[in-house]
Amino acid sequence: EAGVTQFPSHSVIEKGQTVTLRCDPISGHDNLYWYRRVMGKEIKFLLHFVKESKQDESGMPNNRFLAERTGGTYSTLKVQPAELEDSGVYFCASSYRTQGGEQYFGPGTRLTVT
Amino acid sequence: SQELEQSPQSLIVQEGKNLTINCTSSKTLYGLYWYKQKYGEGLIFLMMLQKGGEEKSHEKITAKLDEKKQQSSLHITASQPSHAGIYLCGADGTSYGKLTFGQGTILTVHP
Repeated sequence: EAGVTQFPSHSVIEKGQTVTLRCDPISGHDNLYWYRRVMGKEIKFLLHFVKESKQDESGMPNNRFLAERTGGTYSTLKVQPAELEDSGVYFCASSYRTQGGEQYFGPGTRLTVT
Repeated sequence: SQELEQSPQSLIVQEGKNLTINCTSSKTLYGLYWYKQKYGEGLIFLMMLQKGGEEKSHEKITAKLDEKKQQSSLHITASQPSHAGIYLCGADGTSYGKLTFGQGTILTVHP
């Protein structure tokens, strides 16, 4: 069984540009989560999808971030326009159950905004 | 908001030694997750604990959750270089999978 995959693995963009990150969850997992780790800080929750619906987006930092999960399969996280403080590692995770489900993480996308 | 404190922040041991990593929450947990991360890689799921007093083991790693569900420990027996990495505890305080993470414990195992 394939694990959670993320693309790209690295992205370097200039301030003001747009970047789109993609996450493919484990097949059959309705729950999809985005997290990020900025330099020197803990991993922080961004949002949670159940199928194509946003269950919780309380962790999204501002309206420059837009997450979608059309069709309830893969998800994208767009940052537009990117700022320096957006640099960090963006992780995606998926789980089968909403309550008490084991979350499996992808390898992450390292975003550098210069 | 829920906070998690991990201790120690880093740990250096000789191969074959036992070690323990602790994770303490400021609030009662719905679930407690342990992950391992190697540099530049994703988080590898180790174990999830939900019941007070629960204990789980996998190979040489044992995790426990206290009765009050506010503190967990991860114990490695007879450590090996392959155990080296960053160990992270993640807490679910809401039951809906919104995890809060500790800052991580960096484990180095010298052969």
